[in-house]
This record gives sequence, structure tokens and C-alpha cells, in this order.
Amino acid sequence: QKEVEQDPGPLSVPEGAIVSLNCTYSNSAFQYFMWYRQYSRKGPELLMYTYSSGNKEDGRFTAQVDKSSKYISLFIRDSQPSDSATYLCAMSYAGGTSYGKLTFGQGTILTVHP
Amino acid sequence: DTAVSQTPKYLVTQMGNDKSIKCEQNLGHDTMYWYKQDSKKFLKIMFSYNNKELIINETVPNRFSPKSPDKAHLNLHINSLELGDSAVYFCASSWDTNQPQHFGDGTRLSIL
Repeated sequence: QKEVEQDPGPLSVPEGAIVSLNCTYSNSAFQYFMWYRQYSRKGPELLMYTYSSGNKEDGRFTAQVDKSSKYISLFIRDSQPSDSATYLCAMSYAGGTSYGKLTFGQGTILTVHP
Repeated sequence: DTAVSQTPKYLVTQMGNDKSIKCEQNLGHDTMYWYKQDSKKFLKIMFSYNNKELIINETVPNRFSPKSPDKAHLNLHINSLELGDSAVYFCASSWDTNQPQHFGDGTRLSIL
């Protein structure tokens, strides 16, 4: 079993829809949670960064972390064709020999069609 | 002005050759990383340096050797390339460990 599980999709939605992307994880030591967006032939671009449980909002994006369920989500409101990309969740923990090592999910391919 | 830049963007070479990939960041970060992304888009950490000191060394064949001449640069040298080394290699940097990481656009390595 992978430490971080993410449904690879693909996910196809109409423009304007609310998109929900999710990851589950098994390592309860994870404390830092990130969402990255990756366009084709580009590097991952940081969208959201949260520490521990709770919600964080940035424009059309909302990240949620539920540590008790080991579940994180990214919501995209009013989705646009320019949001079409692969979305990667990533997480890390402090202490020991982790040194901020990021563990990634497989990524979910999202297409927003006009 | 590119924050994390990698060269070359594409590398096509034959099995058994030795090649290097270079990475430079102009963000003033102290920590740099190398990741490998396989054909299924799965990203996995390979190495990390903090202030030029190696702090993460995952289970990677010793044909792969990272070098950090200074805090702004992290290079990756690969000896005796094998078919399984074909992948996209990403460099990333952050202020410190457990800080948000910023990625370059990758080096696409193809082994013939």
C-alpha cells in the first residue's frame, strides 16, 4: 500500500463546475500538506500549503485537512479551462531523518471543458 | 526571471553513457532537491542538500551522484546509464526543510 493514495482520474468537468480533489494517507506523522498543479511538460507549481488540520482559502481554491481521517481535499470553485492540469497532493513531517522529504500522490488529471 | 532552472531540458543518449544535469536557483534558498518522475507521473525524492550538506539520500543506485558546489547549485551526475533511468528529473528548492518547495521545469532523459 502506498503512503499517499490519490485517484488518477481522469476527471472531466464543464466550465464553472466545482471540482473536488482528494488524497488519503496512512502515515499519521504527516504534518505539512501541499497541493501542486502541473501543466504538461512543466514542473509542479505550488498552489496551497497548510500545516496540521483545518481549512485554507486562496481565491478560487480551498484546501482542507482532516488529520483524524487522514484525508485532504482541494476544492476549485468556478473552474476554468486554464485549470486543466494534473493536480498532485504532497505531504511531509518534521523530525527524525525526514528533513522535509515530500511524499507525493500519483496525481489527478483534470480537464475543464468550455 | 526563472527561479529554478535546469539544463538541459532534453537529454537523449545511449545506454552505458555518463551524463550530468545541472540545476540553479536564484531564490536564495538553503535547501535543494532532486526528484524523479516516472512514466506514470509518480514523483519520488532522490536526494536533498541543505547548505551544501547531503541530508536525504533515498535508495538510489550509486550510479547517481549529486554534487552541490554552493547553495545555489545542485548537479546530478549519472554513470553507466540504463534503460530504466529514462524519466523526467526535477530539481526543487526551499528556504529550509519543511518549507514550500519550488520546482524547475524538469530534464527529460531518454535512454536509447
